[in-house]
Amino acid sequence: AQKITQTQPGMFVQEKEAVTLDCTYDTSDPSYGLFWYKQPSSGEMIFLIYQGSYDQQNATEGRYSLNFQKARKSANLVISASQLGDSAMYFCAMREGLLNTGTASKLTFGTGTRLQVTL
Amino acid sequence: DADVTQTPRNRITKTGKRIMLECSQTKGHDRMYWYRQDPGLGLRLIYYSFDVKDINKGEISDGYSVSRQAQAKFSLSLESAIPNQTALYFCATSDLGTSDNEQFFGPGTRLTVL
Repeated sequence: AQKITQTQPGMFVQEKEAVTLDCTYDTSDPSYGLFWYKQPSSGEMIFLIYQGSYDQQNATEGRYSLNFQKARKSANLVISASQLGDSAMYFCAMREGLLNTGTASKLTFGTGTRLQVTL
Repeated sequence: DADVTQTPRNRITKTGKRIMLECSQTKGHDRMYWYRQDPGLGLRLIYYSFDVKDINKGEISDGYSVSRQAQAKFSLSLESAIPNQTALYFCATSDLGTSDNEQFFGPGTRLTVL
């Protein structure tokens, strides 16, 4: 089974609108973390936001927020007030296990969602 | 200056050639990683290293080897390159001491094997 599933290969959003990028995950480990990365056309991987499995509140970073629904095993990224510069690939990733263990060093990535912001 | 650098940034080589991709970091992190990215498949882990003496295989290590020459340097080698190793390769680092184990990525190396 896929550990990280991103079901939207591509999304369009109008400038200044909000958009939600879906991510579901599969793990039996009670300790895990979820990440979102942005990859613009230039290719670099840019960290956006992190949510730990024990965090009580949804993570927020500027215009990015993570809608964490633990029971549903979903960690959707919400981008508010979209900008043209938000056009990129977005990857959801998960680490499993306690932080000081080898397992927790590994990230498993989803296949990504390509977001296109239009005027 | 970039904290995680990769050389070369682009490389075209022929089947059967040996090639080395290099990664250096100035972040002082103990953990380093090599990933490859193929279209439609996201990033997949090739090897990772906790420190100079600790090297571990990732999801897709066959056909690759690595060397951790120093805390700051982690090299990926393709002993005999084949066309299906054409991909975008990323090096990443992380710090055991952080609360989330965020990984910091290099700019990537685009490798083409003809």
